[in-house]
Amino acid sequence: GAGVSQSPSNKVTEKGKDVELRCDPISGHTALYWYRQSLGQGLEFLIYFQGNSAPDKSGLPSDRFSAERTGGSVSTLTIQRTQQEDSAVYLCASSLVMSAGGDNEQFFGPGTRLTVL
Amino acid sequence: QKEVEQDPGPLSVPEGAIVSLNCTYSNSAFQYFMWYRQYSRKGPELLMYTYSSGNKEDGRFTAQVDKSSKYISLFIRDSQPSDSATYLCAMSAGQGSGTYKYIFGTGTRLKVLA
Repeated sequence: GAGVSQSPSNKVTEKGKDVELRCDPISGHTALYWYRQSLGQGLEFLIYFQGNSAPDKSGLPSDRFSAERTGGSVSTLTIQRTQQEDSAVYLCASSLVMSAGGDNEQFFGPGTRLTVL
Repeated sequence: QKEVEQDPGPLSVPEGAIVSLNCTYSNSAFQYFMWYRQYSRKGPELLMYTYSSGNKEDGRFTAQVDKSSKYISLFIRDSQPSDSATYLCAMSAGQGSGTYKYIFGTGTRLKVLA
């Protein structure tokens, strides 16, 4: 596809269940980012990947959160034993390479809306 | 205190008005400053970016960075109803900080009335 895609678009789960969120970056993009967007909280950085490696996992809220990337492409964000405070929109972005400036634009997917009952 | 502060709004203006959106920050290591626009139920899209202090203009949009005051602004001239969206500022310290992560503001919701 032409852009970043994420699945599912919506996920409703019960407290205590595990969920997996998927991100398909733009083809050829080596860098991939996960963010969480809660009401009134803005975008919160979770983790980024350079290739399959995750140099900065500092944003993961707890050890219930993990992410992996395989083949330098698809990434999966897993939340174990979900809690109600995990309810948010989870956004994925990709960029051609890993760099800090806006000249290396991060392209965002539409997000996965997670609701934990 | 958050590293980046942004008034959530909402901000309502009449069509054709000049809009001023602002963020303040506390981390003096930030060097890269971005503005994103996010329509409802969509992912953010990059509008403009600047490196260090100064101004940058692109059509109806002007971005300003004042590092001495730790204050950035986005101006929208001749605002249109299609500009109605949430505007997020984002900042990054760059490679020297050891991480490439962006720190985002909470976003300002803008509504331009026809």
